[in-house]
Amino acid sequence: EVQLVESGGGLVQPGGSLRLSCAAYGFPLSNFPMHWVRQVPGKGLESVSAISENGYNTYYANSVRGRFIISRDNSRNTLYLQMGGLSAEDMAVYYCVREWPPGSNDYWGQGTLVTVSS
Amino acid sequence: DVVMTQSPLSLPVTLGQPASISCRSSQILVFSDGNTYVNWYQQRPGQSPRRLIYGVSKRDSGVPDRFSGSGSGPDFTLKISRVEAEDVGVFYCMQGTHWPWTFGQGTRVEIK
Repeated sequence: EVQLVESGGGLVQPGGSLRLSCAAYGFPLSNFPMHWVRQVPGKGLESVSAISENGYNTYYANSVRGRFIISRDNSRNTLYLQMGGLSAEDMAVYYCVREWPPGSNDYWGQGTLVTVSS
Repeated sequence: DVVMTQSPLSLPVTLGQPASISCRSSQILVFSDGNTYVNWYQQRPGQSPRRLIYGVSKRDSGVPDRFSGSGSGPDFTLKISRVEAEDVGVFYCMQGTHWPWTFGQGTRVEIK
């Protein structure tokens, strides 16, 4: 069974950093591009970042470019999102999402909540 | 960024009756490979989004056949032939043709 399990969310001060992890189960992570999508509770969905199967190609939303870094360790079947320069605008539930087929996201994790507050 | 505009934003429906949600894109969504990457998701209260439709009209495994997707050009539609109680939630269209992938604002479906 395919499962995506996020971790690493929590409370961080404005300007601080946080690293999210996403452990993949039931499939080889190396075969799929992966994404991070966020959602402010009660609001809509926003694509944050994406990474190709081998990690060579990365993509970022304008709102996070230069502050967030997406990476992956296929040997550990794990996806990461290093977040820096956090502000209230980054407060959201962050979902780890698999891309399949191209141009679509099929499996979503349960999400991890990031709260930015002093 | 591509703007996906959904309508209506709120949709009260009667059980057993049909429902339709529209999504209009601000740019052409045909990718260089000739495919159009439009998807539909349902998010039930307290849950992660669940994909219903991909590639405009392909239904995911396990999705009831009362759900169907259609469209071309800038206009796409999700139809529910007969609404059931479990269909309550927020429905999103999403384009996966141009980065960043973008979602519609969401349509909240509720039972009258």
